[in-house]
Amino acid sequence: GAVVSQHPSWVICKSGTSVKIECRSLDFQATTMFWYRQFPKQSLMLMATSNEGSKATYEQGVEKDKFLINHASLTLSTLTVTSAHPEDSSFYICSARVAGESGGTQYFGPGTRLTVL
Amino acid sequence: AQKVTQAQTEISVVEKEDVTLDCVYETRDTTYYLFWYKQPPSGELVFLIRRNSFDEQNEISGRYSWNFQKSTSSFNFTITASQVVDSAVYFCALSTGANSKLTFGKGITLSVRP
Repeated sequence: GAVVSQHPSWVICKSGTSVKIECRSLDFQATTMFWYRQFPKQSLMLMATSNEGSKATYEQGVEKDKFLINHASLTLSTLTVTSAHPEDSSFYICSARVAGESGGTQYFGPGTRLTVL
Repeated sequence: AQKVTQAQTEISVVEKEDVTLDCVYETRDTTYYLFWYKQPPSGELVFLIRRNSFDEQNEISGRYSWNFQKSTSSFNFTITASQVVDSAVYFCALSTGANSKLTFGKGITLSVRP
């Protein structure tokens, strides 16, 4: 149980294009999902917290207009990197928290490797 | 503010050796949760264990064991008889409060050589 999927697993795009990444909880409902970014050999950096049906909460320093997050249902959150540039190249990971579970274990997706040329 | 310190950055062992990964945390909250995650080369973080602040019982799961000591604010992870498949980056994390945001340590890269 507690499986989270991400799509696509990798994407290469040209500078200036927008890229959408989907995060789905497959066998549980997730009122809260999280988006992280990870640089090589570094820890995870939280970008934003996504709550179903409401606006995402962004961490300090993360541009909300650059990284658009939508959490339209209890099983799906999307991250859109708008007008991507080479510096946006990174490994993006989502996680989902089981609705109603105290302590909030986060289950992670397999990640999406974004390369912007 | 919360903080998780994983002082070890890289550990290399030979297969079948036991290895302990250290984790020290800081928080002023009395209710909190501690986690260990494994990130193999494929990149996906795998949940290993969750412990709440009121449960100091140690836990054993197969070759894995965890030692939680509030007196020293530590939550250490031991792998017994390590195997090559244990090679990964291991993250310790802490969450407090209603939003359950995770504070991660920097991770420990474990290499198990045959």
